[in-house]
Amino acid sequence: GNSVTQMEGPVTLSEEAFLTINCTYTATGYPSLFWYVQYPGEGLQLLLKATKADDKGSNKGFEATYRKETTSFHLEKGSVQVSDSAVYFCALSETEAAGNKLTFGGGTRVLVKP
Amino acid sequence: DGGITQSPKYLFRKEGQNVTLSCEQNLNHDAMYWYRQDPGQGLRLIYYSQIVNDFQKGDIAEGYSVSREKKESFPLTVTSAQKNPTAFYLCASSIPNEGSSYNEQFFGPGTRLTVL
Repeated sequence: GNSVTQMEGPVTLSEEAFLTINCTYTATGYPSLFWYVQYPGEGLQLLLKATKADDKGSNKGFEATYRKETTSFHLEKGSVQVSDSAVYFCALSETEAAGNKLTFGGGTRVLVKP
Repeated sequence: DGGITQSPKYLFRKEGQNVTLSCEQNLNHDAMYWYRQDPGQGLRLIYYSQIVNDFQKGDIAEGYSVSREKKESFPLTVTSAQKNPTAFYLCASSIPNEGSSYNEQFFGPGTRLTVL
């Protein structure tokens, strides 16, 4: 079956540091890929997405590129802020026949210190 | 504003009682989902529904039940058969796109259930 693996946290870094969260996947077919963010006590919000190979998703200074050859979708941000402290989830979509379900990675907690 | 609402935000239940979590959406989405999130872990799918009056079990359906009598509503009942129900429950919805694998899900704010 499909699966998503992302680096375990917590990731602790200082404000203005560079952030990378690794995400790799296994899937049949050509899934769409997503990064979601969860702030404390809240639901998930879509951060960015990519629907085909070589697409780059970007939002709020975050970027991720759909790499089919390495089955990866790593999340990056050049200069983090304290407000970026959250849990980040990588996910892939399954086919409509499979209910359009999302398969999530385990989440990576990021803590940005002033 | 369109969105997904879940109520209540915090819910306490005595062991052995059934409890129902509400999920309502006004996005006109066909598909709805229920996930469970445990501390420090990812999301696990409980049930999902692609259309009114139809639903399927997810990965961890045992001890849960759902109904989908209306497009906008997808309540989840946590029964006394669920061995470890204390968790954060998230509801989501989406529109399946024919011919496309793009199927973003929109999430509600969640309900934190604690069994006393």
